[in-house]
Amino acid sequence: NAGVTQTPKFRVLKTGQSMTLLCAQDMNHEYMYWYRQDPGMGLRLIHYSVGEGTTAKGEVPDGYNVSRLKKQNFLLGLESAAPSQTSVYFCASSYGTTFDNEQFFGPGTRLTVL
Amino acid sequence: AQTVTQSQPEMSVQEAETVTLSCTYDTSENNYYLFWYKQPPSRQMILVIRQEAYKQQNATENRFSVNFQKAAKSFSLKISDSQLGDTAMYFCAFMKGGSQGNLIFGKGTKLSVKP
Repeated sequence: NAGVTQTPKFRVLKTGQSMTLLCAQDMNHEYMYWYRQDPGMGLRLIHYSVGEGTTAKGEVPDGYNVSRLKKQNFLLGLESAAPSQTSVYFCASSYGTTFDNEQFFGPGTRLTVL
Repeated sequence: AQTVTQSQPEMSVQEAETVTLSCTYDTSENNYYLFWYKQPPSRQMILVIRQEAYKQQNATENRFSVNFQKAAKSFSLKISDSQLGDTAMYFCAFMKGGSQGNLIFGKGTKLSVKP
C-alpha cells in the first residue's frame, strides 16, 4: 500500500513550456485534490475531483488544467508555465468529506519555472 | 469567505517542555471542522489532530491537545513533553461541513524543539 504518490519529485521548466504532474493513490479514494504551497504560505487548493471523470476549480485554478480519467489518478497540467507557478505542489486524496475522512497527502513536487 | 490566521511565524521550545501554537479563524458557518497538520522537513503533510465545531470537548491525541474556543473562533494546539521529532511546520486548517473537502490553511508556524 503506497498511499499517495506523485511524479516527478522535482522539475525545472522554462517559461512557456508545458508539463503534467501525476498523482496516484491506491486507497480507492473518491476525492482527490491538488494544492500548491508557496514560501510563507499555507497550501492553497488549485483543483479537485469528487470522482472519476469529474473536476472542479478550487481557490487558485488559473493557468492549470486537470483530468481524472481513472479513479486512482489525478493529473495536473501546466500548458504554458510561468515563473509565478514556481511552487511545491501537493496532491491529496480522501474516501469522503465528512469529519472522519482524513485527507492523505503525497510527498510533493517541487517545480521551478525559469 | 473563511480565513485562517496563525500569528506566530516561528516558535521554539526546549525538549520535554510544553508549547502552545495559536490559530484563529473567521467564518459565518456553524458546521465546520478544524485540523492541525504537521509538515516536517521531509515535506510530508501529516494530520495531527482534528475537531468538530459542534463538539465542546477538546480533542486529544497522545501528547497533542487542542483548546477550542468556538465563540472566540480560536483553535490552539498544545504539545506536551516536546520531542526533537516535533520540529516541523504546523498548519491550522478549516473545512466547511458539507463541502467537497476543501481545506483552507493558515500560513503556518515553524516550531523548533531544542535539546
